[in-house]
Amino acid sequence: DTGVSQDPRHKITKRGQNVTFRCDPISEHNRLYWYRQTLGQGPEFLTYFQNEAQLEKSRLLSDRFSAERPKGSFSTLEIQRTEQGDSAMYLCASSLGWAYYNEQFFGPGTRLTVL
Amino acid sequence: AQTVTQSQPEMSVQEAETVTLSCTYDTSESDYYLFWYKQPPSRQMILVIRQEAYKQQNATENRFSVNFQKAAKSFSLKISDSQLGDAAMYFCAYRSPQGGSEKLVFGKGTKLTVNP
Repeated sequence: DTGVSQDPRHKITKRGQNVTFRCDPISEHNRLYWYRQTLGQGPEFLTYFQNEAQLEKSRLLSDRFSAERPKGSFSTLEIQRTEQGDSAMYLCASSLGWAYYNEQFFGPGTRLTVL
Repeated sequence: AQTVTQSQPEMSVQEAETVTLSCTYDTSESDYYLFWYKQPPSRQMILVIRQEAYKQQNATENRFSVNFQKAAKSFSLKISDSQLGDAAMYFCAYRSPQGGSEKLVFGKGTKLTVNP
């Protein structure tokens, strides 16, 4: 399967711990996005990369959150000093930036539970 | 800021019947895209159908079609001949290329149940 993959699929952590998630986009996709989805809500945009450059960040992305995309391939999202409010599904998506419509293809998500 | 509203938290339909999911949005821009995404239980979100704002013709994809009313800022999804596999959360989403933004703005979703 050559879709977007995310690892881990589930993460349980204690408040105050740091966590890191990984996203592998569809190969040849130059754009990569992170969204957060809490229970009963639609996904909310966090940030996006074009190749290795982080071009847009939401105000939701507090200073405890950092995302990287070294070499323009996979991306990592790190949350430092986790809080219970960080419990959510973290979705990654990728797209071929110059394609018509620039359709975003989503991964299965990483479900984070902060105890 | 753009907002997307889905006023139906839950909907149900009998297998083989037709159902319409509602979506309204708020924007001051004239050029944008609208999407319907499907999120089956415990599975990843997939694109169902898309519409460009400058196109007056409503998009169709097999059993899925939209009713796009630009002046009313309305973008509803019609599913014909509903199948059990259509059961999922459906999200309406908006994207505007203005200012180079690539983010999708989603509604809260509508949970569709298909009854056999």
